[in-house]
Amino acid sequence: GAGVSQSPRYKVAKRGQDVALRCDPISGHVSLFWYQQALGQGPEFLTYFQNEAQLDKSGLPSDRFFAERPEGSVSTLKIQRTQQEDSAVYLCASSLARDNEQFFGPGTRLTVL
Amino acid sequence: AQTVTQSQPEMSVQEAETVTLSCTYDTSESNYYLFWYKQPPSRQMILVIRQEAYKQQNATENRFSVNFQKAAKSFSLKISDSQLGDTAMYFCASFFQGAQKLVFGQGTRLTINP
Repeated sequence: GAGVSQSPRYKVAKRGQDVALRCDPISGHVSLFWYQQALGQGPEFLTYFQNEAQLDKSGLPSDRFFAERPEGSVSTLKIQRTQQEDSAVYLCASSLARDNEQFFGPGTRLTVL
Repeated sequence: AQTVTQSQPEMSVQEAETVTLSCTYDTSESNYYLFWYKQPPSRQMILVIRQEAYKQQNATENRFSVNFQKAAKSFSLKISDSQLGDTAMYFCASFFQGAQKLVFGQGTRLTINP
């Protein structure tokens, strides 16, 4: 596709369940970012990939959060044992290089009950 | 810490008016990039305008322009001849070379009234 896509668009999970969120970046984009956006707030950085290498995971809030990009294209953000405070929109963005313009996906809205 | 601050949670203007959104940031770096992003309701975030810190000339994109005051660490967005389609959340963001990540402000909810 022409843009960044994410799936699912909406996810409802019961507290304690594991979830997996998918991101398909723009073809050829080396850099991929994950952000967490709480309601009414700006996005906050979670982690960064350059191709398949996870170069920065300083924003991951706990060890329940795990991200991968095994072939340098599609990325998955996994949250284990979800908690209510994990409820947010999770945004994925890709770019040609780390300091280039980032193109954002539509996000996945996660609600943990 | 490098921070970006938007002090206007909400703004509302009439169609065709000019509106200015404020943004300040804090950094000790000399090389960074500044952005304004637009996030319409239930739609994805798109880049409105970009400014390199080393450039003195203010960036302009059609009806959108910035007032970049490096010494004051201020980066405001001016929207001229506002349109109904400009209704959205607007986020100011900075890419700091040291942190190598985008840092966003809290956002300003802009409503354009007919």
